[in-house]
Parts: sequence; C-alpha cells; structure tokens
Amino acid sequence: EVQLVQSGAEVKKPGESLRISCKGSGYSFTSHWISWVRQMPGKGLEWMGRIDPSDSYTNYSPSFQGHVTISVDQSISTAYLRWSSLKASDTAMYYCARRGSGGWYFDYWGQGTLVTVSS
Amino acid sequence: DIQMTQSPSSLSASVRDRVTITCQASQDISNFLNWYQQKPGKAPKLLIYDASNLETGVPSRFSGSGSGTDFTFTISSLQPEDIATYYCQHYNNLPLTFGGGTKVEIK
Repeated sequence: EVQLVQSGAEVKKPGESLRISCKGSGYSFTSHWISWVRQMPGKGLEWMGRIDPSDSYTNYSPSFQGHVTISVDQSISTAYLRWSSLKASDTAMYYCARRGSGGWYFDYWGQGTLVTVSS
Repeated sequence: DIQMTQSPSSLSASVRDRVTITCQASQDISNFLNWYQQKPGKAPKLLIYDASNLETGVPSRFSGSGSGTDFTFTISSLQPEDIATYYCQHYNNLPLTFGGGTKVEIK
C-alpha cells in the first residue's frame, strides 16, 4: 500500500527554523516526484515546489522561492520542507503529494502537517 | 503564471441533483487539468486527471470534460458523501496552480 506519512504538528516562534518530513512507503520512492502544497487556514491549495527524489532536482513556485528549501534523503525514503526563519504568515497546513505515473497529477497525499507560528 | 478561475465558489444542491463546476484557465492548457476533492480536515483526493480520466476507484458519477481554456466537472447524482470542496489544477507549465475551490453543500 502506497503511503506518505508526514511528521507531527509544530508550534514555533517567528524567526525560528523548522523542518518537516514526508516518508514514502509501499512504492519505489525514487520513481515519483514529491511536491509540497500549502493550505492557509480557510483557504485554497497552493503549490510550493517539487523534488525529483532520484537526483534531488528541485523546482519552486516564485511565491516560495528563497523562503523554503525542499530536500530528500533517499536512504530513508523521506522528503523534507525546511524554513530557516519562520514568519507568522507561514501558519498553515502543509501537504506532501506524490506525482502519479502519467502526467502531473497528485495521486497520493500525506495526511498534512499543521505549522503554527506565533509569538 | 496561469490563473485558474473556478465557478461557482460555492453551491447548494439536493441529493440526486446534477452538479456542475467550471474551471477556466487564463491561457490554453490543452488537457493538462486535474480535479481533486477535499473533505473537511482531510487531504485532497484525486478524482479526475488529464481533464476526463477517472482515477481508479472513483465512482462513475464523477466526470470531467474540456480542453484548451474551459473545463467542466460534473457530479451526475449528488450523494451526501460528496459534501466537500473541489479544486481544479493545471500542469501546463510551472508553477502548477490550483483553482480557488468550489464548496459543495447539501440543500
């Protein structure tokens, strides 16, 4: 069974750093790109960026470029989303999602990680 | 960036009604369009990919059509379990973008 399991909820202060994770199982982790998607409270879905786990090649949305870093550790089938300096506006639910085997659709999603940034 | 405009933003319909949601792209995206369902407190779920292909295991009352800039998502007979927000998403180029969502409620 394909699964993407994300790390637990986080509460942080502005300016702090944070890394959340997404562990894939039940499939060949390096064969499917992973994307990260933000959902702010009560709002819609925003694509943040993606990584090819086979070679760590990344693309970012211009809206998120320079503010987050996407990485992967093949050895443990895990993708990461990292902030070096959080802002209150980063408060949101973050989902990882796997690219399907055909076009750019997301066929499996993690359960989401809620990040709360508050002083 | 390609803008995806969904309408309506919300709708209320009766069980067994036919429900239609539209998604308009700001430029031609061929058939590079997917539809997702998100229930409250849950992750999104893929329903339709490449504009009209039903994802495995998704009930046949869901369907999609369109190409170019105009797309339609249809629930042929609304069921109580279909209460959710529905999103379109293009993948013609980067950045990938989603529509603003359509919240479907039972009347």
